[in-house]
Amino acid sequence: AQTVTQSQPEMSVQEAETVTLSCTYDTSESDYYLFWYKQPPSRQMILVIRQEAYKQQNATENRFSVNFQKAAKSFSLKISDSQLGDAAMYFCAYRSNNAGNMLTFGGGTRLMVKP
Amino acid sequence: DSGVTQTPKHLITATGQRVTLRCSPRSGDLSVYWYQQSLDQGLQFLIQYYNGEERAKGNILERFSAQQFPDLHSELNLSSLELGDSALYFCASSETPRGTDTQYFGPGTRLTVL
Repeated sequence: AQTVTQSQPEMSVQEAETVTLSCTYDTSESDYYLFWYKQPPSRQMILVIRQEAYKQQNATENRFSVNFQKAAKSFSLKISDSQLGDAAMYFCAYRSNNAGNMLTFGGGTRLMVKP
Repeated sequence: DSGVTQTPKHLITATGQRVTLRCSPRSGDLSVYWYQQSLDQGLQFLIQYYNGEERAKGNILERFSAQQFPDLHSELNLSSLELGDSALYFCASSETPRGTDTQYFGPGTRLTVL
């Protein structure tokens, strides 16, 4: 079974600075997708960014980018120019392209943004 | 707004009772997923339906059941409720079960069992 690990329960960053959230995963599959979801205090799950495992190029979405290291099974999220609205729980998630397509989530990282 | 709706938003009930959570997927989405978010277990997958048929099962208790109706809405039934069932229950939908299709989450139903 696949597992996703987020080793940082909490992180903090100064407004306008850059922060990196870590995620590692374990799988024997080669065809899969990785995601970062944001959960603000409203509890809504919001997709931040996705990465296809077959793509070598790291995904970027505006201020959000990932560092995908397939051999190391590492998938970190970098947030540049942090804003107060970025404060939330961030979940890393894995999704197989073969069986079930359900998301397997990590335990989450709480990001605090200091003004 | 993801386009996925869930009712009710909040539910408070007693141990031993039975409740039904409802989910309407985004227009055009055929696949529905249910997830549970609790302090103990984190976010975990419960069950998936595609076009009315059960597609995959995760860590879903035998006391829980679900179905997807012809109009594609889905219901999650929780029975013989225990204190530990208190959690946030999310429904998500995608166009198909393909891995390429993004899952969009509803706002969740907060269940409190007293």
